[in-house]
Amino acid sequence: NAGVTQTPKFRVLKTGQSMTLLCAQDMNHEYMYWYRQDPGMGLRLIHYSVGEGTTAKGEVPDGYNVSRLKKQNFLLGLESAAPSQTSVYFCASSYGLAGGPDTQYFGPGTRLTVL
Amino acid sequence: GDSVTQMEGPVTLSEEAFLTINCTYTATGYPSLFWYVQYPGEGLQLLLKATKADDKGSNKGFEATYRKETTSFHLEKGSVQVSDSAVYFCALSDQNSSASKIIFGSGTRLSIRP
Repeated sequence: NAGVTQTPKFRVLKTGQSMTLLCAQDMNHEYMYWYRQDPGMGLRLIHYSVGEGTTAKGEVPDGYNVSRLKKQNFLLGLESAAPSQTSVYFCASSYGLAGGPDTQYFGPGTRLTVL
Repeated sequence: GDSVTQMEGPVTLSEEAFLTINCTYTATGYPSLFWYVQYPGEGLQLLLKATKADDKGSNKGFEATYRKETTSFHLEKGSVQVSDSAVYFCALSDQNSSASKIIFGSGTRLSIRP
């Protein structure tokens, strides 16, 4: 049982390049989330999904797109990377207790640098 | 909207010292409260949680009590170890969401000296 995994662990991009971050979970969780972590700002929610085929915007969605074609995978895309997107990106998943105190399980993170 | 405020770090203590990390929240209803911990180079993991007023969450020697009257959820440990060095995040459940979203504080970095 690997839990939540993220690919890649590190990446360096040039401004304007595109890339996709992959998140996979093997816990059969309904809900999945993408966060970015910046110094002094905690975690901010980018996008989330409440089930296969669904996505929704979080707190800071601009410049990112997501897809959830399979229940176990949640992809985060950057179409045209900017230096402001330099950050550590975390994926998380949860069982999906709507309105309930649901624990989120986090992946190890992807450190992205945009030059 | 709902928010979480926690004490700024870094916090540096000697081994076996008593730890308190303050956390207060603003919420219109009755959120669940969490402490997550992030060890170096890893993702966040749940440390403890409390779902209603006066509940005490505990794990690995850490405790926090849900205080509705003071809107607080302070994290405490009686005797810290070097292995407790990490970043600690206070968080609450977003009650305006049907997606079990969590609102995180900015984190407090804890360093324990041997």
